[in-house]
Amino acid sequence: DSGVTQTPKHLITATGQRVTLRCSPRSGDLSVYWYQQSLDQGLQFLIQYYNGEERAKGNILERFSAQQFPDLHSELNLSSLELGDSALYFCASSVGRNSYGYTFGSGTRLTVV
Amino acid sequence: AQTVTQSQPEMSVQEAETVTLSCTYDTSESDYYLFWYKQPPSRQMILVIRQEAYKQQNATENRFSVNFQKAAKSFSLKISDSQLGDAAMYFCAYRSPTMYSGGGADGLTFGKGTHLIIQP
Repeated sequence: DSGVTQTPKHLITATGQRVTLRCSPRSGDLSVYWYQQSLDQGLQFLIQYYNGEERAKGNILERFSAQQFPDLHSELNLSSLELGDSALYFCASSVGRNSYGYTFGSGTRLTVV
Repeated sequence: AQTVTQSQPEMSVQEAETVTLSCTYDTSESDYYLFWYKQPPSRQMILVIRQEAYKQQNATENRFSVNFQKAAKSFSLKISDSQLGDAAMYFCAYRSPTMYSGGGADGLTFGKGTHLIIQP
């Protein structure tokens, strides 16, 4: 157990729907990162939050959004889902804003049908 | 933007032998961090080893070591005494030290990965 908890582990939904993925960072970690792993795009950085504030954006679609709550857990919201959004979504956490060591969760497998 | 290239989609090695996985990257920055992550069939991303670019000494973690060639922008991973449990996808990743304030991705840039097979 890495200490980073992601729920649910698996999610199957239809095109056009909206889903929410949840991440609880490791105790004491203030930064949360979201990554997408797909067969065609590989592993891509989506977005980072630090202590409740958005810190950096990567290749995140406008249909996707995220937030980090006061208790530091984070949610990734995916809307108007398309078949191509099927992927493994990872959350990672680190202690500070500039920490270079991340701890990854076990991921949420999203299947859009 | 930084790019990371892993030119070996798949590598195979006999148990107890040594294998080297290649990684090259492209950046205009002088300071950065490099990582190797392992992803076994469980899909968990596990940090294997990391290297700060300002350190000339190559990082070592037990059977895992790197050959960091900054001028050549090369960061290879050597696994000694390969074990069956080493079988996994291995990803090389780059991280810029600069971040925040209005732009620029602060996450890891990953290569496409190398699938390592351990032959018993």
